Amino acid sequence: GMPVEQNPPALSLYEGADSGLRCNFSTTMKSVQWFQQNHRGRLITLFYLAQGTKENGRLKSTFNSKERYSTLHIKDAQLEDSGTYFCAAESPSGSWQLIFGSGTQLTVMP
Amino acid sequence: EAAVTQSPRNKVAVTGGKVTLSCNQTNNHNNMYWYRQDTGHGLRLIHYSYGAGSTEKGDIPDGYKASRPSQENFSLILELATPSQTSVYFCASGGGGASSNERLFFGHGTKLSVL
Repeated sequence: GMPVEQNPPALSLYEGADSGLRCNFSTTMKSVQWFQQNHRGRLITLFYLAQGTKENGRLKSTFNSKERYSTLHIKDAQLEDSGTYFCAAESPSGSWQLIFGSGTQLTVMP
Repeated sequence: EAAVTQSPRNKVAVTGGKVTLSCNQTNNHNNMYWYRQDTGHGLRLIHYSYGAGSTEKGDIPDGYKASRPSQENFSLILELATPSQTSVYFCASGGGGASSNERLFFGHGTKLSVL
């Protein structure tokens, strides 16, 4: 299968709702990053994790290397959260290469 | 699944030399992008293209040129490479749509070291 599998491909939420995105990895990864796509082609880095959990405002991300997954949790969704989110994982082989998930298109509705 | 292939995977260049990074996509996407990733800066957009013959400046275009000779190919050119351009470069293609909702497909990256 794909080395990085991101789900769901698309997600619709009402304002104020909570939800999560997930990336599963086919092998143990060294680290994971989460990005939010902003304007054309621009990617904002939300989190970089080598392990554990980080929070930033309404966002929380967890990376479990052993269990081969990472999650991005959005709390109290706002209209401006709409957009595409990507995870990207770095393999532990010493390679610097990132393997990107296929993205989740999030739509927050009023 | 769209395929985006970057070459070379690794490149060592000398200061002042010319470097060309190549990107090929097989999914007939109109949009293509070049980024560099550095610690503390995330993925920064260098140049992008809306289709063959088009190149647009991204957020950090200085020191880089881009070329889109065909739908499939998008090159990033460093005419006079400098050590500050040592980085990991990523190419992506996208099929269009709303700017924040375009699904991007990424290459695996090119590590460039300028000595």
